Amino acid sequence: ETGVTQTPRHLVMGMTNKKSLKCEQHLGHNAMYWYKQSAKKPLELMFVYNFKEQTENNSVPSRFSPECPNSSHLFLHLHTLQPEDSALYLCASSQLGMNTEAFFGQGTRLTVV
Amino acid sequence: KNEVEQSPQNLTAQEGEFITINCSYSVGISALHWLQQHPGGGIVSLFMLSSGKKKHGRLIATINIQEKHSSLHITASHPRDSAVYICALEGAGGTSYGKLTFGQGTILTVHP
Repeated sequence: ETGVTQTPRHLVMGMTNKKSLKCEQHLGHNAMYWYKQSAKKPLELMFVYNFKEQTENNSVPSRFSPECPNSSHLFLHLHTLQPEDSALYLCASSQLGMNTEAFFGQGTRLTVV
Repeated sequence: KNEVEQSPQNLTAQEGEFITINCSYSVGISALHWLQQHPGGGIVSLFMLSSGKKKHGRLIATINIQEKHSSLHITASHPRDSAVYICALEGAGGTSYGKLTFGQGTILTVHP
């Protein structure tokens, strides 16, 4: 248990569906992140939220839409995805300015059919 | 050339062996992270280094800032150490803090 909880753990969705991934951190951190891990590729940063403000959008397609309503919750809204978007989506949190490590959730394994 | 390169990509060892995984990078950083990923996908942070050496149990991590190189050592390896070990760079300056750039990972298998 890392203090970062992601739901669901597994998700299968069609290309016309709309779904959301949820991440919650119980660590009091001020920054939250979405990462994508595709098969046989390194993890890639998608979005960064610092004090609920988005500070990074790493050229992510608009079919991925993040939302950070407060410093403890982070969502990734998905719509009209493509099969190549199938991947492991990982959420992480950290305390910026305190030189501390990042804590990761267990990830959501997404399959787009 | 990638900003961060790990070697080896795959490593097989017998239980009890001393293991070393290397990470070389080419950019300025504020810190280097070593992470462990088990087959289920979850990632655990092992170390965060900005200089010198750290030790947790059987794990030791070192970093040489001048040479832009870090190593992760596992002493007396055990089958439960089997996992993917990932080196990640944390950017330096301004809005780069907290953002990680990842190596491709080293797949470690320890046989009984």
